[in-house]
Amino acid sequence: QKEVEQDPGPLSVPEGAIVSLNCTYSNSAFQYFMWYRQYSRKGPELLMYTYSSGNKEDGRFTAQVDKSSKYISLFIRDSQPSDSATYLCAMKSGQAGTALIFGKGTTLSVSS
Amino acid sequence: EPEVTQTPSHQVTQMGQEVILRCVPISNHLYFYWYRQILGQKVEFLVSFYNNEISEKSEIFDDQFSVERPDGSNFTLKIRSTKLEDSAMYFCASGGREDGYTFGSGTRLTVV
Repeated sequence: QKEVEQDPGPLSVPEGAIVSLNCTYSNSAFQYFMWYRQYSRKGPELLMYTYSSGNKEDGRFTAQVDKSSKYISLFIRDSQPSDSATYLCAMKSGQAGTALIFGKGTTLSVSS
Repeated sequence: EPEVTQTPSHQVTQMGQEVILRCVPISNHLYFYWYRQILGQKVEFLVSFYNNEISEKSEIFDDQFSVERPDGSNFTLKIRSTKLEDSAMYFCASGGREDGYTFGSGTRLTVV
């Protein structure tokens, strides 16, 4: 069983739509959860960083973690064409120095 | 905003040759990482480095790989004898004690 599963998409939405991106995982030791955005042939850019279960909001982005279900989500409100990118979930079990385990990424396209 | 800088952006090398990929992490970060991404695949952890020694490494990081922090600013990844399957994007990342990791833009390594 893969450690982190993420639907690769592609996902196409019109401008202004609410986008929901999700990952599931199997390792109950994961405690820290991140969402990264990656443009083509660029490095991952950190969007959200959360610890344990709950919600975190930053502007148009909301990250949710449900550890009981081993399920994390990223919601994007009022999506813009500039949000078109690949979104990667990532997680780790410890604090600093621990390996980040990535999902394969979901490719999002927002049309104007 | 502070960033992680990687050079070169693209490196072409012949199979069997040694390559050194270079990174300048964010100056006040203490933890340094190398990841790679084969085209169309997940971002994969290679190694983490703290206090001048490796703190964690993956199965990918075998004897052909080594890391070094030769001075107070640079962090390097050496591949001793490159193979065709080493062709990938290599990302350097750095982080503090309790936050997400900041990635560089990557070095695209092509082994021919």
